[in-house]
Formats: sequence, structure tokens, C-alpha cells
Amino acid sequence: DIQMTQSPSSLSASVGDKVTITCRASQSINNYLNWYQQKPGKAPKLLIYAASSLQSGVPSRFSGSGSGTDFTLAIINLQPEDFATYYCQQTYSIPRTFGQGTKVEVK
Amino acid sequence: EVQLVESGGGLVKPGGSLRLSCAASGFTFNRYSMNWVRQAPGKGLEWLSSISSSSNYIYYADSLKGRFTISRDNSKTSLYLQMNSLRAEDTAVYYCARDLEMAAIRSFDSWGQGTLVTVS
Repeated sequence: DIQMTQSPSSLSASVGDKVTITCRASQSINNYLNWYQQKPGKAPKLLIYAASSLQSGVPSRFSGSGSGTDFTLAIINLQPEDFATYYCQQTYSIPRTFGQGTKVEVK
Repeated sequence: EVQLVESGGGLVKPGGSLRLSCAASGFTFNRYSMNWVRQAPGKGLEWLSSISSSSNYIYYADSLKGRFTISRDNSKTSLYLQMNSLRAEDTAVYYCARDLEMAAIRSFDSWGQGTLVTVS
């Protein structure tokens, strides 16, 4: 199975900050990498697919990059509604594993 | 508008069974693969199972060890998860999610609101 490791597990930030979350795969997954946002009590929401493609309706302050084993989710000009938990997921192979999540909290 | 609505969760004793349903609307259900994902209280997301549009391809997480069965009825635009031999560690919110393939990359682009299964 491909293991997905996110870092950090949590971070504190302020409105207007730039935030970067990294995701590392245990083997190369090309660009078969997605990012999701989840708020408490809600279902996850797809933000980025194929490592860097912005899902329709997602604000452009979100961006994704990377290929192979190392990936990054960046949020610029952090907004109040962006405080949430973020998960990466690989769909290169079965099982379609998720990272453990990164919680973005208010500083 | 794509809608996925899970149902069938509840309280069940260890060793018991439960069947979850996911009613789909707002899209051509028989053209999409579907998935089940769960989230234990305070924990992360765990992919459980996928089923292709015509049920030709079915995959499971090894952790389920044959206890769960995914199925679908395209005539009813519904997805199912039969869960047997339930354990305390199966306690979680269970989500169904649509599988979208864009440029050969799969992602889960639409999710239901989830249904809570408590094994106790």
C-alpha cells in the first residue's frame, strides 16, 4: 500500500497569511494526488485534483504543486472560512489512501 | 445539482450487521464509479471500497477482511454497503462519494453528508 504522510499535523495562522501544507507519498504516484478540505461536522470537499488542477468553484487562493512523491498545497491570503482540516489522497493505486490530515487553526 | 444522501446508520451491537444506502440524484448515476469512505470520531478519512459504473470492478480496503460488501442498483440510482460482523472499531461516519475521472486522474468530487454507525 502507498502511505501518504502530511506535514505539519496542525498549524496556527492568521487571516491574510500564506499557508503551506506538504504531502509525501511512500512511492511515486506521478500526479495522482488530490486535496480535500473538511470543516467540523461536514463532508470533505474536493479542492485540487491531479496535483495542481483547481476544482470548479474553488477560490484561486488555493493552489497545488508537485509530482512523483512530494506535493504541496498552498493557501495565500488565508480567509476566515479556510480554517479547516486538509487531506491529501492518492488515486494512483488501490487502496486510495489519504494522508492523516492537517488542521489549520486560528493563531 | 449532484446530491448523495446516505441512510441506514445507527446503533448496532458487536457482531451485528447493518446495510447502508446512498441515494444519488442530479447526475447520470450509471456512468460513474462510486466509493465508500469512513471517518472514526476525531480521526482521519479512510477509503473503504469502490465499485465501477457497471459493477464489473470492485475493490476493498484490506482492513475490511471480507466483512463488508459494496453493491449498486443503477435502476434505483443507489449505492449500498452491507456491513457484517461489526466491531467497535467500525464506529464512524460513513460517506459515499462519487468518483470523477479527469485527465485519467480519479478524485472524489461529490460527497454525501454521511451516516453515523455506532457499534456498542
